[in-house]
Amino acid sequence: GAVVSQHPSWVICKSGTSVKIECRSLDFQATTMFWYRQFPKQSLMLMATSNEGSKATYEQGVEKDKFLINHASLTLSTLTVTSAHPEDSSFYICSASSGGELKAFFGQGTRLTVV
Amino acid sequence: GQNIDQPTEMTATEGAIVQINCTYQTSGFNGLFWYQQHAGEAPTFLSYNVLDGLEEKGRFSSFLSRSKGYSYLLLKELQMKDSASYLCAVMDSNYQLIWGAGTKLIIKP
Repeated sequence: GAVVSQHPSWVICKSGTSVKIECRSLDFQATTMFWYRQFPKQSLMLMATSNEGSKATYEQGVEKDKFLINHASLTLSTLTVTSAHPEDSSFYICSASSGGELKAFFGQGTRLTVV
Repeated sequence: GQNIDQPTEMTATEGAIVQINCTYQTSGFNGLFWYQQHAGEAPTFLSYNVLDGLEEKGRFSSFLSRSKGYSYLLLKELQMKDSASYLCAVMDSNYQLIWGAGTKLIIKP
């Protein structure tokens, strides 16, 4: 089956620094990638949708200047959390789909802890 | 508004059968998905229904009734490793996934 690789799996960073999370589709071309955030015991919250080569579409309430998303190729999307604060600590998950495939394939997730 | 409802938590016994229900109200419908998520891990795909009826896949089956806005996930011969959260998600007319809050399933020996 399709594989989506997300890196790193976990990261601890100091408050005020930036963190980049990568999401790669390993064996298919991902025309669309989704970035989610998940707080403990809660469902996935969609942050943004990105299509290859175009600007990401952010959900209401998500700061686009804080959560920078780049989808430069059909196999790679990145999420950069800029000037991280402790309240940004969360589980971030990416998913990817190709044009003809409706179900989304998920990366392993990244647990971000900001201290 | 768009809404997905599923029970918050369910408990079942190892070896038994459990049914997790999901009701939805969305703007359009392009399919319903069930995902399994173990604590601290990303969701994994279980099933996809777009037509009414029952889809069986091993120990897991998923049912859909579009007229009733209703689906269920049926798990048979429960194993301890089935303890997880089960997420129901509906793809709306814009092909956006609308997620339920998830049902935490606890399996007891």
